[in-house]
Order: sequence, then C-alpha cells, then structure tokens
Amino acid sequence: QKEVEQDPGPLSVPEGAIVSLNCTYSNSAFQYFMWYRQYSRKGPELLMYTYSSGNKEDGRFTAQVDKSSKYISLFIRDSQPSDSATYLCATLMRFGAGTRLTVKP
Amino acid sequence: GAGVSQSPSNKVTEKGKDVELRCDPISGHTALYWYRQRLGQGLEFLIYFQGNSAPDKSGLPSDRFSAERTGESVSTLTIQRTQQEDSAVYLCASSVSGRLTGELFFGEGSRLTVL
Repeated sequence: QKEVEQDPGPLSVPEGAIVSLNCTYSNSAFQYFMWYRQYSRKGPELLMYTYSSGNKEDGRFTAQVDKSSKYISLFIRDSQPSDSATYLCATLMRFGAGTRLTVKP
Repeated sequence: GAGVSQSPSNKVTEKGKDVELRCDPISGHTALYWYRQRLGQGLEFLIYFQGNSAPDKSGLPSDRFSAERTGESVSTLTIQRTQQEDSAVYLCASSVSGRLTGELFFGEGSRLTVL
C-alpha cells in the first residue's frame, strides 16, 4: 500500500466551478500535510500546509484534513484558467500521484 | 540565483551509458531530496540527505542508482548502465532542515531520455 494515494484524474471544470481534490494516507502517525502545485515543465511549489486535523483557508483555497478517515482535501473556489496545473498532496517526503486539473474559460 | 539549480536541464543518452545529474540546493538548506517523475505521473521518492549523510535511501530503485552529497551543498545522482525505463524527469529539492515539516523548494528538474 502506498503511503499517499491520489486519483490522478484528469479533471476538467468550467471557470468559476468549485474544485475538490482528494488524497488518502496510510499512516495514522502522519501529522503534517502539504499541497503542491506543479505547472507544466516546472518543479512543484508549495500551495498549502496543514498540521493535524481541521481546515486552513488561504484566499480561494481551503485545505482540510480528517485524521479519523485519513483523508486530505483541497478545495478551490471560483476556479480560474490560471489554476490549471497538477496538484500533488504530500506528507513526510512522500507525494501522491498528482491530479491534473484543467479549468476551461 | 537564489533557487535550487539542476544540471543538465536535458540529457539524451544511449542505453548502457552512465549519467550524472547535479543539484545545487539553496544556500544554507541542510536537507536535500531527489525524486523521479515519469511522464504524466507523480513524484517517486528516491533519497533524502541530512547534511552529507543519507538517512533514507529507500527509494533508490536498484543498485545502478547512487547519490552523494559533499560539503553539505552540491549533490550528484548517478545512474549506471542506463535503461529505457530510467527515462524521466529527475527533480531535486531542498529544505531548511528536517524531514517532517519543512517546505520543499524544487528545481526545474533534469529531463533524462534514454534511447
């Protein structure tokens, strides 16, 4: 079993839609969870960082951790074409497969 | 520049040749990581350095892969007797310290093509 599992998509939504990206993890001891965004032919960049359970909001982005179900989510409100990228969840140096998101104008 | 620098950015080699990929981390970052990303896939962890030692090299796929770091700075990933399945982008990242909480800063990768 991989430490972090993520549906690779791809996911295509119209501009303005709410996007939900999800991951599961295997080790209940994990405490720190990150979301990275990767544009084509670039290295990933940190987008959101959360510790333990709960929500964290940053502008149009909300990261959510549910430790009881070992579930990590990233929500994007009012999605924009510039949000088109691959989104990767990560914990303890391990990354999910990444979900490729396309936001269509 | 101030970011993570990787070289070469592109490398085409023939099957069976050895290749070396180089990573210059952000100055002062003690932790350094190597990942492999195959086309359309996620990041596959290869190895983690804390200073010059590698406490976690569990992701190296075979004994053809090795990595070293010197002077708590530059790191080299070496692939011996390359195979076509080694074709991928090799990403290097560094962080200020530690493996648990630090933000990873990535380079733009070295794209390796094995013919």
